[in-house]
Amino acid sequence: KAGVTQTPRYLIKTRGQQVTLSCSPISGHRSVSWYQQTPGQGLQFLFEYFSETQRNKGNFPGRFSGRQFSNSRSEMNVSTLELGDSALYLCASSLEGAGANVLTFGAGSRLTVL
Amino acid sequence: SQKIEQNSEALNIQEGKTATLTCNYTNYSPAYLQWYRQDPGRGPVFLLLIRENEKEKRKERLKVTFDTTLKQSLFHITASQPADSATYLCALGGASNTGKLIFGQGTTLQVKP
Repeated sequence: KAGVTQTPRYLIKTRGQQVTLSCSPISGHRSVSWYQQTPGQGLQFLFEYFSETQRNKGNFPGRFSGRQFSNSRSEMNVSTLELGDSALYLCASSLEGAGANVLTFGAGSRLTVL
Repeated sequence: SQKIEQNSEALNIQEGKTATLTCNYTNYSPAYLQWYRQDPGRGPVFLLLIRENEKEKRKERLKVTFDTTLKQSLFHITASQPADSATYLCALGGASNTGKLIFGQGTTLQVKP
């Protein structure tokens, strides 16, 4: 069973540019969540999509957006990049039910903003 | 605001000993708490989940306790091995059963042979 796949694994951008990150969840998982991980702030929740709808949103500016497709694959976009956006962006998928969401994470996309 | 605190400093122990990691939280009433392991350059991997009405959970060499009165969880690794060296993250989840978890900063464990 394939795990959560994130692409690209590494990317370098300059301030002001935009970036799109992709996430393919585990087959059958309809929930996809995105997290930002930095040394200073740790793992912070960005947003969650379920059945193509944003179900939850974290406390990030509107430059951070996402979407989910009918096959549950998800993308997140960051526009007008700032130096502080340099981070590891992690995608996680989960299977609904049982009253608790266990997340399966991908390896992450490491973004460096110069 | 909601806050989670884990041992901020790295934990260094000798192989064979029991490692105990702490997770304290404030301003939150989680429905469940999870522990994840993260190795350098990789995403976190789920280890254990404990619900608010449970006191203790075990899985092989791992044990987690959950005290909702103290607002604290303890994570134990018995008979620790160098392969257990990693960063361990605790995460709180609410009753809404979504992918939104609140993570602690993590504790880095180093097990020396």
